[in-house]
Amino acid sequence: DVKVTQSSRYLVKRTGEKVFLECVQDMDHENMFWYRQDPGLGLRLIYFSYDVKMKEKGDIPEGYSVSREKKERFSLILESASTNQTSMYLCASSPWTSGAARGNEQYFGPGTRLTVT
Amino acid sequence: DAKTTQPPSMDCAEGRAANLPCNHSTISGNEYVYWYRQIHSQGPQYIIHGLKNNETNEMASLIITEDRKSSTLILPHATLRDTAVYYCIVRVAGYNAGNMLTFGGGTRLMVKP
Repeated sequence: DVKVTQSSRYLVKRTGEKVFLECVQDMDHENMFWYRQDPGLGLRLIYFSYDVKMKEKGDIPEGYSVSREKKERFSLILESASTNQTSMYLCASSPWTSGAARGNEQYFGPGTRLTVT
Repeated sequence: DAKTTQPPSMDCAEGRAANLPCNHSTISGNEYVYWYRQIHSQGPQYIIHGLKNNETNEMASLIITEDRKSSTLILPHATLRDTAVYYCIVRVAGYNAGNMLTFGGGTRLMVKP
C-alpha cells in the first residue's frame, strides 16, 4: 500500500514564525502535492512537484515555498506564518503516467492541522 | 472538468450495500470518473476510477451507465468505518502534474448499526 506520512498531525505556531511541514511517500511516486483544506472552500492546491528539485505554483502559492531535494520528500515552508494560514494541510503523491488515468490517483497523507496564533 | 451532482447525504445499514449515485451529464469522451472519500479528520482516500466499463477493486465497484452521464459507487457490505464524505470527480486522463483535485460537496454517508 502507498503510504504518505506527514511530520505532525497538530501544530501550533505564533505569527511571524517560520514553519516547516514535511511529507514523505514510500511508493517512488514522481508527483507530489501540497493542498490546504478549509471549510466551505474544499481543497486548494498550493504547490506541486513532478520531479526532484522541480516545483510549480498551484492556485494559492503566496506566503508559501516548497523544497524537494529527494524524490520521496516534499516540504512546505511558511516563511512568516500568519493567522490566515491556519488550516488543514494535506500532502499527496501520485505516479507519473503519460496518457493514462493513473495520474489522477492521488494518495494523501493524514494531514497537519496548523493553528497560527 | 465536467460538473458532478451528488446527493448531500445518505444513510445505510451496517452490512448492507451502499449505493452512491453521481450525475455527470456533461462528461466528455476522454474524461474518467474518479471516486474519493474523506473520513473525518483524515486525508482524502482514492477509491476507484473508470472510463466506461464497470470496475471493481478490493474497496468498491463502480457502475457507469452506457451513456456515461451517471455512475454509482457500490460498497457491497458497508461497515461503520465506511462513514465518510464520498466525492465523485470527473477528470481528463493523462499526465498533468498540475491536476488539482477539486472536490465538490460530496455525499455524506452515514453507516448505522
